[in-house]
Amino acid sequence: KAGVTQTPRYLIKTRGQQVTLSCSPISGHRSVSWYQQTPGQGLQFLFEYFSETQRNKGNFPGRFSGRQFSNSRSEMNVSTLELGDSALYLCASSSNLQNTEAFFGQGTRLTVV
Amino acid sequence: AQSVTQLGSHVSVSEGALVLLRCNYSSSVPPYLFWYVQYPNQGLQLLLKYTTGATLVKGINGFEAEFKKSETSFHLTKPSAHMSDAAEYFCAVSSGYSTLTFGKGTMLLVSP
Repeated sequence: KAGVTQTPRYLIKTRGQQVTLSCSPISGHRSVSWYQQTPGQGLQFLFEYFSETQRNKGNFPGRFSGRQFSNSRSEMNVSTLELGDSALYLCASSSNLQNTEAFFGQGTRLTVV
Repeated sequence: AQSVTQLGSHVSVSEGALVLLRCNYSSSVPPYLFWYVQYPNQGLQLLLKYTTGATLVKGINGFEAEFKKSETSFHLTKPSAHMSDAAEYFCAVSSGYSTLTFGKGTMLLVSP
């Protein structure tokens, strides 16, 4: 059974640009969550989707958005990139709403220059 | 609201020594508790979890943790450290249908 797949693994963007990150969950999992990981702030929750609906949203500006498709694949978008957006973005998939077992992808390392 | 506190951003042990990583949580409802491990430039791997039932849970790679409700703790232990255990460890909590809330992480350093 394939794990959670995130693409791309590494990305370098310039300030002001926008970026789209992709996450394919484990087959059969309908819940996808996104987290931002930085050395200073640790792991911070961005948003969670279940069956194409956003269930929860973290405390991030509106430049951060996401969506989930009917096949459960999810994308997150960051517009007008800032230097502080440089981080490891992690996606997790779960088979249930209680998140009793969340599986993480390897992440996308975004560097904003 | 829920939160996690991991005591010690870095813990150093010698190979073969006991590993103890501390985690305290707060939650307004019965929690689900997790320990994840992260190796450099990798995602998070689930080590073990507590949802209901037995309070002493065993995980992969010889790790175990005990849920102590009275102390609101979920400390991670391993009797004998191995060099390959060197990594960053995260404790996390979720409550019912909430999302995971993570601690700041503890870097485990293992010396020969």
